[in-house]
Amino acid sequence: EDQVTQSPEALRLQEGESSSLNCSYTVSGLRGLFWYRQDPGKGPEFLFTLYSAGEEKEKERLKATLTKKESFLHITAPKPEDSATYLCAVQSRRLVFGAGTILRVKS
Amino acid sequence: NAGVTQTPKFQVLKTGQSMTLQCAQDMNHNSMYWYRQDPGMGLRLIYYSASEGTTDKGEVPNGYNVSRLNKREFSLRLESAAPSQTSVYFCASSGGAGNSNQPQHFGDGTRLSIL
Repeated sequence: EDQVTQSPEALRLQEGESSSLNCSYTVSGLRGLFWYRQDPGKGPEFLFTLYSAGEEKEKERLKATLTKKESFLHITAPKPEDSATYLCAVQSRRLVFGAGTILRVKS
Repeated sequence: NAGVTQTPKFQVLKTGQSMTLQCAQDMNHNSMYWYRQDPGMGLRLIYYSASEGTTDKGEVPNGYNVSRLNKREFSLRLESAAPSQTSVYFCASSGGAGNSNQPQHFGDGTRLSIL
């Protein structure tokens, strides 16, 4: 059965304190891995797609990487506006979402 | 750029009432999806439509029906609402077929409470 596990469930950072979010997965036939950002009261907003191990994507302070078993979302020098829930989803026969990591960045 | 639009944004129902959630996309996408999101759980697929005229069950279809009205619109109906259906419902669309590797784009959800 396809499974996606995100850790930690919640993360509190000081502004400027870099860290990483983890998404580990077990799927049969990975077609793609997606990262989304979700703000309170809003729908998930697409950030990145990764298709194969070794691939990396960057956008502002965010960098996503992929191995055969997991993906990391690295946040460099975060700002309070980076506070959100970050969702990982894996596409095989269907799209399977993790439960998300709630990130709070304090100034 | 509207993207995916869902109506209503909020709704309160009594047990046994029926309701239709509406979704429309303006990105000319082939595939559309309905998810529910509950605290501590990932988004779970209710139904999807890989193309106009087709619909398929997802992970949690019981108690729901869908209609793909045309390429733009995909509605979700609760025939007899139950408290277990209290949730936030999201509609999404993507450019590829139902199991493609194209990203899905989401609306802002309908918050549904069933008393």
